Amino acid sequence: DTGVSQNPRHKITKRGQNVTFRCDPISEHNRLYWYRQTLGQGPEFLTYFQNEAQLEKSRLLSDRFSAERPKGSFSTLEIQRTEQGDSAMYLCASSWGRRQETQYFGPGTRLLVL
Amino acid sequence: AQTVTQSQPEMSVQEAETVTLSCTYDTSESDYYLFWYKQPPSRQMILVIRQEAYKQQNATENRFSVNFQKAAKSFSLKISDSQLGDAAMYFCAYRSNNNDMRFGAGTRLTVKP
Repeated sequence: DTGVSQNPRHKITKRGQNVTFRCDPISEHNRLYWYRQTLGQGPEFLTYFQNEAQLEKSRLLSDRFSAERPKGSFSTLEIQRTEQGDSAMYLCASSWGRRQETQYFGPGTRLLVL
Repeated sequence: AQTVTQSQPEMSVQEAETVTLSCTYDTSESDYYLFWYKQPPSRQMILVIRQEAYKQQNATENRFSVNFQKAAKSFSLKISDSQLGDAAMYFCAYRSNNNDMRFGAGTRLTVKP
C-alpha cells in the first residue's frame, strides 16, 4: 500500500496560466475527493468521484476548475486562467467500503500564483 | 449547513502530560461520522481517530481518546502522555452520509520538552 500520491508537490505559475495536478488514490479505493486548503484553515471540499463519475461539486469549484477521473483510477484537477486567489494547497483523498467512512489524504500540491 | 468549530487556535502541553482539544459541530442529522486528523508541518494529513454517531462508546486509539457528547454536539480529543511527535495542527471533521466532509479551522498543538 503506497498511499495516496499527488504530483507535482509544488507549482509556481504566473497569473493567467493553466495548471494541472494529478492524484493517484490507494489502488482499491473507488472514491476520490479534492479539497483546497489555505494557510491557517482547514480543508474545504471541492468535488468527489465514485469510480469515473463526478457525483458532487462544491460552489467553490468555479468554471475555471475542472476535474476528471477518466478510468476510475487517477484523477486530474485543472485550473484555467489562474488567479492569485487560487494560491493554496490542493489535497486529494480517497476512500472505500460500503459506507466510505474514512478518507485517506495525499501530501497535497502547493500552488503559488504570482 | 453543517459547521465545525474549533475554539482553540493554539494549545500547548508539557511532554508526558495530557491535553484536550475541543470541537463542536452543528447538524440536524442523526447519522454521521466525526474525525480527528493530524497535520504535521509540511506533511500530509493523517487520521488520528474516528467516531460513528450511532455508537455511544467513545473511540480510543492508544494514547488518543475522544469524549463524544451527541446531545451537546461536542467531540473533544484527549491526548495522554504527550510526545514531541504529537506536535501538529489538529483538525476536527464532520461527515454526513452524503459524503460532504466539513473541517474545523484547526488547533495548533505545541509540545514542550
